[in-house]
Amino acid sequence: EPEVTQTPSHQVTQMGQEVILRCVPISNHLYFYWYRQILGQKVEFLVSFYNNEISEKSEIFDDQFSVERPDGSNFTLKIRSTKLEDSAMYFCASSGVDQGAETQYFGPGTRLLVL
Amino acid sequence: GQSLEQPSEVTAVEGAIVQINCTYQTSGFYGLSWYQQHDGGAPTFLSYNALDGLEETGRFSSFLSRSDSYGYLLLQELQMKDSASYFCAVYGDSSYKLIFGSGTRLLVRP
Repeated sequence: EPEVTQTPSHQVTQMGQEVILRCVPISNHLYFYWYRQILGQKVEFLVSFYNNEISEKSEIFDDQFSVERPDGSNFTLKIRSTKLEDSAMYFCASSGVDQGAETQYFGPGTRLLVL
Repeated sequence: GQSLEQPSEVTAVEGAIVQINCTYQTSGFYGLSWYQQHDGGAPTFLSYNALDGLEETGRFSSFLSRSDSYGYLLLQELQMKDSASYFCAVYGDSSYKLIFGSGTRLLVRP
C-alpha cells in the first residue's frame, strides 16, 4: 500500500539554525500539507499546497517558514531560523483524487527539537 | 473563531461499545473526519462524513448532524489495540485543510 514518507525521523538543531524537513507524498496525490503537533497537544494546520503553489497557510506559518516541491516527488518544509517554540512533531500529509481530497494520509512525522 | 469540543478521556472495557462525541463551531464546513493516533504515531484516517447520517466501516461508525454541528465516532467490540487518541477534524473550506479537535484519549481495559 502506498504511503507518505518523511525524513529525517528526528532532528536536533540549535536555535537560529535552518532546518529542512523532507516528505515524499503518495505518488498520484495532488494536495500536500504540513501540520505540526506540540507534545501532548492537538495537530495544527500549517500550510496546504496545490498546483505548485500555497493554497492556504495558518498564522503559525510566518515568514520563517517556506515550502517547496523541488521535483516531481519531494515536498519540503524549511524553517529559516528556528526558535525554541518550533520544537514539535511535524507531519506531512497528502490527498488525491481517487478517494477524494478529504482523505488525507499522514507520514510518520519528523520530531524536531530546537535547543 | 473555530473550535471543536470533544471529551479529553474515555475509559471502556474490552468488548464493549464506546461513543466519542464532537461538537464544532467553524466559519465554514465541508465535512467531519475522524483520525486515530497511537502514542508516537501519525494520525490515521478512520472516516469522513459530508452528509447527515451514519457511515459504517467495520467496527467503526461515524455520525454527523450538520444542523446540530455535532458528530460522533462509535467503536464496537473494543479491542486492547483500540487504546489511542481519537481526533475529530473539520474540513472548513475548499483548501481541504483539517482543523483538529484536542483529541479524546481512549483507554481500553481488559
